[in-house]
Amino acid sequence: SSALTQDPAVSVALGQTVRITCQGDSLRIYYASWFQQKPGQAPVLVIYSKSNRPSGIPDRFSGSSSGNTASLTITGAQAGDEADYYCNSRDDNGFQVFGGGTKLTVL
Amino acid sequence: QVQLQQWGAGLLKPSETLSLTCDVSGGSFSGYYWTWIRQPPGKGLEWIGEINHRGGTKYSPSLKSRVTISVDTSKKQFSLRMSSVTAADTAVYYCARGGYYDTSLWGQGALVIVSS
Repeated sequence: SSALTQDPAVSVALGQTVRITCQGDSLRIYYASWFQQKPGQAPVLVIYSKSNRPSGIPDRFSGSSSGNTASLTITGAQAGDEADYYCNSRDDNGFQVFGGGTKLTVL
Repeated sequence: QVQLQQWGAGLLKPSETLSLTCDVSGGSFSGYYWTWIRQPPGKGLEWIGEINHRGGTKYSPSLKSRVTISVDTSKKQFSLRMSSVTAADTAVYYCARGGYYDTSLWGQGALVIVSS
C-alpha cells in the first residue's frame, strides 16, 4: 500500500520537544518530506529527503526514519510552530502521496 | 527570487473544464518537477500530478482520466486542465516546483469552486 498514516492531532508544551510520525510501507524504500501549513497559507517545506532542511528552516526542525516510519521532531517548540504538518513521499510507481496531516497545538 | 504566480477561473459549473496556469518568474525553468496539488476546504493535501524537465508526466490514478498537465517552456508556464468537474473538485489548487523529494516552491493557491 502507498498510503501514509499520521496522527490527526498532537500537542506539546511551549519549549518542549515533540515528534510527529508518518507510517507507510513505501517509507521503507523512499524518502519522506515534511510540510508545515499555517491557516490560509501555502505549505512550506521543512524537511526533505528524510533529514535535510531547506535554507531558512530553523535547526529545531529535524527528520529521521526507521523501517516504515518517518518522524519530524521539533526541539523547543515555539508558539509559531503551531500548524498542520504533512508528510509526503513516493510510491513504487513514482506517484507522490501525502499523509492525512497532523494538527500541532503548542500549549 | 523565483516566484510562482497562478491564475484561472475560480467558479465553474458541474461538467465544465478546470483550467489553471502557473507562471514561473525569476528563475530557471529546466531541471525541475512541476507539480499540481489541491486541498479541499478543511481537508488535507492531494497530489494531482506532475510534469518533469524531460516532459514526462505522472498523474494520480484517481484523477488520471480527467487531468492533463502541460508545459510551455518558451513562456515559462505550466498548466492544469481537469475535465468534467463536480462539486468534489472544489478545492484550493496549488502549483509547485521541486525535485523528486523536495517540492520546495509553491504558488499562492487558487480557490476553485464548482457549483451549479
